[in-house]
Amino acid sequence: AAGVIQSPRHLIKEKRETATLKCYPIPRHDTVYWYQQGPGQDPQFLISFYEKMQSDKGSIPDRFSAQQFSDYHSELNMSSLELGDSALYFCASRPWTSWYTEAFFGQGTRLTVV
Amino acid sequence: GESVGLHLPTLSVQEGDNSIINCAYSNSASDYFIWYKQESGKGPQFIIDIRSNMDKRQGQRVTVLLNKTVKHLSLQIAATQPGDSAVYFCAERNYGGSQGNLIFGKGTKLSVKP
Repeated sequence: AAGVIQSPRHLIKEKRETATLKCYPIPRHDTVYWYQQGPGQDPQFLISFYEKMQSDKGSIPDRFSAQQFSDYHSELNMSSLELGDSALYFCASRPWTSWYTEAFFGQGTRLTVV
Repeated sequence: GESVGLHLPTLSVQEGDNSIINCAYSNSASDYFIWYKQESGKGPQFIIDIRSNMDKRQGQRVTVLLNKTVKHLSLQIAATQPGDSAVYFCAERNYGGSQGNLIFGKGTKLSVKP
């Protein structure tokens, strides 16, 4: 079965650089979530999209932005990177109409800021 | 904001024993709960879920118990195996303010001794 695809899997950037993370949800999943997970931490919700519109916003820094495209894939854009942005970034998807269904997670992008 | 938390950060069990991982949640409006398993460097993987109108749900070797009176959730793993070693997170979803994003609790690291 198709899963959530994230790219790249690993990314190394220098401070003050920009990074773009991509997420391809499971086919027919119209809702995408982004999470940030620091070392030894629980995943923290950043932002979500439904039908290309931002549906909810969590602890996403102003330096970050995201969007969802017509094919439902999503991109997380991160600018002015800081050392503290080093983390695992997960994307998850689910069908909007299925409230009682889990969010399916991708394998994540490990971002290292040096 | 409200969050889901766990009582024990680490749990070490002998192979073949039963494991119990606990979680306390604070948002009484939450109506859907999920347990995820996360192996090192990988995305959270769905284990089992439960709706708020239930108090118990069983899967293969796993059982989730929900006590809404004390806002407590537990995951029971029967005959724990080395492959069960991972970090386990509980997560909640509610209609209140979010658009379906999951709020994660602090993980419990399960270590299975052979």
